[in-house]
Amino acid sequence: GAVVSQHPSRVICKSGTSVKIECRSLDFQATTMFWYRQFPKQSLMLMATSNEGSKATYEQGVEKDKFLINHASLTLSTLTVTSAHPEDSSFYICSARQGQGPTEAFFGQGTRLTVV
Amino acid sequence: SQKIEQNSEALNIQEGKTATLTCNYTNYSPAYLQWYRQDPGRGPVFLLLIRENEKEKRKERLKVTFDTTLKQSLFHITASQPADSATYLCALGPTGGGNKLTFGTGTQLKVEL
Repeated sequence: GAVVSQHPSRVICKSGTSVKIECRSLDFQATTMFWYRQFPKQSLMLMATSNEGSKATYEQGVEKDKFLINHASLTLSTLTVTSAHPEDSSFYICSARQGQGPTEAFFGQGTRLTVV
Repeated sequence: SQKIEQNSEALNIQEGKTATLTCNYTNYSPAYLQWYRQDPGRGPVFLLLIRENEKEKRKERLKVTFDTTLKQSLFHITASQPADSATYLCALGPTGGGNKLTFGTGTQLKVEL
């Protein structure tokens, strides 16, 4: 199947700093990329949907000024957690899909963010 | 509000048996449903897709059923192996199609020797 590479896999940062997470589709062009957040033993919560060249669509309750998403090309989307706080510590996962409809989602390996 | 429920308790079965996982949903009419496998500290991996007009799908040792009247999907792994131990997530596609998925909480499966 297609490969989605997410980097970094782990990051520890200090409160108040910003962290950028990259998500790349290596062998296909992703029409849409999605960013999720997952707490231990909980489901994937969709944060935002990003389409290349347009502004991301954020889910209700997600602060767009805190979680900046940029989808600069059909193979790259980035999530920047700005002014991180300990409560932002979580597992962040991106996924990429081709086209609309019932296509499979390809996920990155996830990023474990710890804010100290 | 929309709700997706999977068994919250871990499912422990013996190697060689069939594992059956359940996904129930309410206030929802998904156009399709997908099942994913997630290992600890990793992103989910796609397993199977079933559309609203399909009753059953199979892939090797995997089988998924979809009952839109009961609002339920069952996921079966036959001849289970310890390597099948993981968390399994169901994900529902939006009514009418589209590519935004809503995930259930997942069920942890442990296959014992």
